[in-house]
Amino acid sequence: DAGITQSPRYKITETGRQVTLMCHQTWSHSYMFWYRQDLGHGLRLIYYSAAADITDKGEVPDGYVVSRSKTENFPLTLESATRSQTSVYFCASSGSSWEIMFFGPGTRLTVL
Amino acid sequence: AQSVTQLDSQVPVFEEAPVELRCNYSSSVSVYLFWYVQYPNQGLQLLLKYLSGSTLVKGINGFEAEFNKSQTSFHLRKPSVHISDTAEYFCAGSNSGYSTLTFGKGTMLLVSP
Repeated sequence: DAGITQSPRYKITETGRQVTLMCHQTWSHSYMFWYRQDLGHGLRLIYYSAAADITDKGEVPDGYVVSRSKTENFPLTLESATRSQTSVYFCASSGSSWEIMFFGPGTRLTVL
Repeated sequence: AQSVTQLDSQVPVFEEAPVELRCNYSSSVSVYLFWYVQYPNQGLQLLLKYLSGSTLVKGINGFEAEFNKSQTSFHLRKPSVHISDTAEYFCAGSNSGYSTLTFGKGTMLLVSP
């Protein structure tokens, strides 16, 4: 199906474990983004990518790693999960700077 | 960097009443402003955006917003709300593209019959 998908939708993990959240879009959009949403903070940008093999830090990148070997995929890895990374994570994509940004359905991550 | 303030965390309103959700931004030479809506357990969806031109911007679902440079505001309005408008609404702004997009903390619109 066309669109932007995230997997898993829900994940529970333990402190110190590595976790990878997947994001896939079918539009061949150049730009992709990872946000986290926390109560009282709105959405904060973790990392973004302007094209395959080009990534850059956002507002809150510490503890996260991204890669973009293919245009359609933008995985987010928590190298060693901490409780403070418990959050809802949203992936988004856009064709260019000011075209509509489409959001995925989100991944709810709980770190115990 | 652009900062965005949503003045109300919750706005309760009765069905068919008008509503205004307030958003103020920090002043800047150039500013691009957006309103997004988030329904429960879903991602965000663009309602409308202001990039330049007319200060009154019309969006989807009957919403509109007015860019007011002198008051540094971008308030969202709807003349008559429905139960289905119950959702969280986010104002967002940027000076230079999505990589610098800053979101407000959100306003929960609660529409009751």
